[in-house]
Formats: sequence, structure tokens, C-alpha cells
Amino acid sequence: DQQVKQNSPSLSVQEGRISILNCDYTNSMFDYFLWYKKYPAEGPTFLISISSIKDKNEDGRFTVFLNKSAKHLSLHIVPSQPGDSAVYFCAAVMKTSYDKVIFGPGTSLSVIP
Amino acid sequence: DVKVTQSSRYLVKRTGEKVFLECVQDMDHENMFWYRQDPGLGLRLIYFSYDVKMKEKGDIPEGYSVSREKKERFSLILESASTNQTSMYLCASRSTSGINSYNEQFFGPGTRLTVL
Repeated sequence: DQQVKQNSPSLSVQEGRISILNCDYTNSMFDYFLWYKKYPAEGPTFLISISSIKDKNEDGRFTVFLNKSAKHLSLHIVPSQPGDSAVYFCAAVMKTSYDKVIFGPGTSLSVIP
Repeated sequence: DVKVTQSSRYLVKRTGEKVFLECVQDMDHENMFWYRQDPGLGLRLIYFSYDVKMKEKGDIPEGYSVSREKKERFSLILESASTNQTSMYLCASRSTSGINSYNEQFFGPGTRLTVL
């Protein structure tokens, strides 16, 4: 049973518009939530994280929102650029076990020029 | 610039063969990880190591073993490869410096293993 879910396997967005990638989780004990980005033929790279005590974290064009009561987080990319086309993995980790990162299945984002 | 390298980008092996996947990191990180990535399942942790000669099972260790004789090198071993081990294998490393903070994992480019 997946503890981190990304229910949209793929998403297409026009260049310049907002991309919203969603993620749901089942374990209320998670302390950090992470987003990793993966290009084909490359390993995932860390993008942004949010602590469970916050509800928003922003880094340039990327903002992650956390709704703990709904066990839901989302990654907003504004404005979307063709170079953002990649697979995005949502992930979660507990303070008691930083080594065990639980990854979601990923969402493939295509930004159309 | 941080770097995690994996010995092969593509590998084709036969059922029953012993397979070694090598990973090297140059960041002096304490922790190293092996994942496999399959469509619809994301990344699943096979094994990790928190120090030299130390290892711990992840979520799917069956059919795999690991070796960490030196801090910079972490090997994944398939004792007798099977077709259901056809997958993308990703190695990662992570620093444990800092207290009460999450440190990101740095990933290698992956090895696409096909078992025939």
C-alpha cells in the first residue's frame, strides 16, 4: 500500500502558465516532504522541501503548499518553462528515520512551447 | 560539484548470472543507498548503508545483497539474476551533517539492467 500517492501520471501545460502537481500521503507521522525532479537518462535531483510545521515554502518559480489536515501537498511552478519538462517525484520522510525516504510514483510534466 | 557515478549506464545479463552494480561518490558522504525505479511504483529502497561495512535492508531486499568496504563505494549484488529484476537501478548518497534537518540525497545517473 503506497504511503505517498501521485494520482496523475502525466500533466501537460502551456509555456508561461502555472503547473500544479499534486501529492497525497497516508502517514501523519511524516516530518518532511520533498520534491525531486528527474530528466530522462539522469538521476533525480532535489528541488524543494517543506517541513510539516509549515504550510508553504517558496524558491523562485517553485512553491510547495502543505495541507496537513487533508494530507495533501502540491508543487506550483510559475511560470512554466519547456525546461521544466521532467518527471516529478513527491517524497516524504520521518525525523526518526531520515534514511528511509518514501517516494511517490511520479508525475510526468510536459511544458508545451 | 557533487558527483555520484555508476559503473554502467546499460547492462544486459542472462537469468542466473551474478551481477555487480557499482556506485562511487566523491562527497565523503556517510550514507549511501540503492533504489530501483519501476513505472507506476516510483523509487523503492533496496538497501542502504550508514557507514563502512554497515548495511540495512530497505523495503525490497529479497534477491539482492550489498557491500561497502570503502566509504566512497557501495556495490549492489544480484546473486542470481531473474527477469523480474529488470529495472532501472539508482544509487544515491547523503551527508548526515547537521542536527534535526533533512539533507538531500544526491543520485547517480542510473543503470538500466535487462535480464533475459
